[in-house]
Parts: sequence; C-alpha cells; structure tokens
Amino acid sequence: DAGVIQSPRHEVTEMGQEVTLRCKPISGHDYLFWYRQTMMRGLELLIYFNNNVPIDDSGMPEDRFSAKMPNASFSTLKIQPSEPRDSAVYFCASSSYLQGTEAFFGQGTRLTVV
Amino acid sequence: EDQVTQSPEALRLQEGESSSLNCSYTVSGLRGLFWYRQDPGKGPEFLFTLYSAGEEKEKERLKATLTKKESLLHITAPKPEDSATYLCAVQAGGSNDYKLSFGAGTTVTVRA
Repeated sequence: DAGVIQSPRHEVTEMGQEVTLRCKPISGHDYLFWYRQTMMRGLELLIYFNNNVPIDDSGMPEDRFSAKMPNASFSTLKIQPSEPRDSAVYFCASSSYLQGTEAFFGQGTRLTVV
Repeated sequence: EDQVTQSPEALRLQEGESSSLNCSYTVSGLRGLFWYRQDPGKGPEFLFTLYSAGEEKEKERLKATLTKKESLLHITAPKPEDSATYLCAVQAGGSNDYKLSFGAGTTVTVRA
C-alpha cells in the first residue's frame, strides 16, 4: 500500500478564500483522523471518523472548518473563509481496529494563508 | 482530559552518547501508549505501541518502556540519523474511542 496520501502538499491562499485539503487513507482502515500541527500547540486532533461517520469533532476550531468522508477511500477538510491564523501543517492519519490501533500519517499539507 | 508531557524539549547528544526521553501521562484508562518519530517536513512515523506497565519494545537503537505513570524511550549509542523529533501519544480506553493525544515532542540532535 502507498500509505496515507494527502493533497496538495503545499497550499498558499489569500485570506477569505476557501481551502480544501484531501486525504486518501490506507485501504482497509476504518478510522480516519485529521490533525493540525503548529509550533505553539503541537499536534491537535480536529476530527475523526469511524466507518465514514464523524465520531468526535470537538477539536474543530470554528464553524469555518468542516470535514466530510463520503466513502471509505476519501476525506476532505474544508476551511471557508480562511484566515492567517489557520496557517499550519494539516495531517491526515488512518488506523484499523483489527490490525492494531496505531495511526499511520500522511506527509501533510502545509497551508499558508496570507 | 488526557495529558501528555514530554521532557526534555530538546536534547543534543554526541554520537554514541546514550540517553533517555521521558513521557509522563494522565489518562482515564490507558488503552495504549505510542511513540512516533518525525523528521522535518514529514508526517509522524510509527515506532512502538505499549499496552501495559512493565512492557518493553525494542527497535534497532531504540528501547521503550512503560510504567503506570510514564514511558521512557532510551536511545543507545545514537547515530546522526537518529536526529528527529520523538512524539509520545496516549489512547484512552473508551469503548469506541481510538483518538491519540500527543505530547509536544522531544527534538533530538545527534552530532557526529
């Protein structure tokens, strides 16, 4: 398997624009996580899904953030409108209850909002 | 709320100089404690899972141990390629809860 695939790797956008981050989890994994990493706050969990259903979205900072998982092989994290304080690295990770509960991370999307 | 504290924040080692990283945790019913390695510009890479006090895991120059309050990651005779940020995470024992709560990490620099 190619691992967790995220796109784009880098995104630079202007304040107020909509940003969509994409993730393809490892095939067969039933959990998908979205994390955000900054120097100040480290790795923070934003939201996670089990079998495509959102389980905990308490980490989503504001209504400007939304996440979807329309099927087992694809998820999106959308920010609308984007703000400079959203600048961070966003990671997607997936795991399987049956194969062990460790999460495997993608390479991340570095978002810069100017 | 789950809490994970890692120390020190940064560690500079000479090649061959063994040392330990600490991960203290507070969690309601530990399901598992995880160690990850993160290189600059990359996602965290899974290293170990520890499930119960007294458990040990080894991988090359790394050895992780677990007690009821903390985990230690010992690096034996480190090499420059061991330079990275090491992250610790805990998973609580809720029935359907598999999220990981991460510490801030320890950045290890190994000089040749």
